[in-house]
Amino acid sequence: DQQVKQNSPSLSVQEGRISILNCDYTNSMFDYFLWYKKYPAEGPTFLISISSIKDKNEDGRFTVFLNKSAKHLSLHIVPSQPGDSAVYFCAATIIQGAQKLVFGQGTRLTINP
Amino acid sequence: DAMVIQNPRYQVTQFGKPVTLSCSQTLNHNVMYWYQQKSSQAPKLLFHYYDKDFNNEADTPDNFQSRRPNTSFCFLDIRSPGLGDTAMYLCATSREGRWAAEAFFGQGTRLTVV
Repeated sequence: DQQVKQNSPSLSVQEGRISILNCDYTNSMFDYFLWYKKYPAEGPTFLISISSIKDKNEDGRFTVFLNKSAKHLSLHIVPSQPGDSAVYFCAATIIQGAQKLVFGQGTRLTINP
Repeated sequence: DAMVIQNPRYQVTQFGKPVTLSCSQTLNHNVMYWYQQKSSQAPKLLFHYYDKDFNNEADTPDNFQSRRPNTSFCFLDIRSPGLGDTAMYLCATSREGRWAAEAFFGQGTRLTVV
């Protein structure tokens, strides 16, 4: 039972344009959502998060949007840069619980010059 | 400086031969996790330690065990590796509290069972 799904295994975007990565979840108990970025041969690194009490969180070029009714979140990167090429994982958790992260399968983002 | 360090980075082991992966942290975080990630799949939580309390996931095979001798170190023991255990194994840490969800990951150990 895949509770967090990233349906696009890969995405290719031109440098300078907007990258939009999507994530869906099924467990309505999730109340905290995170995006992790992973370069080859490295562990995932935390990028940005959002609490379920918000619908938007912004950090520089990165914005995460949360639509609770649709159980959907998205990560917007604008403008996209070559260094953004990586695998992006969406993750979800229940803050008051054991705080275990449930990950999606990841989306490989490639930024083309 | 690396804060969560996993050793070795790459490990090849024979079918059925016990193997131990190690993780150390300099963050003094009280929660440590082990994740298994197979190719093109989501990282899957195997178990985690909350201080000394061990928490096993229901679907983690008995073949997988863990030890945490102190705050800084955590080990993953695979007693009799099978070919299906070939994967990347990720160790992560987090601090109890509001931001505990923002786990810090090590670089991973890529295990190949032959």
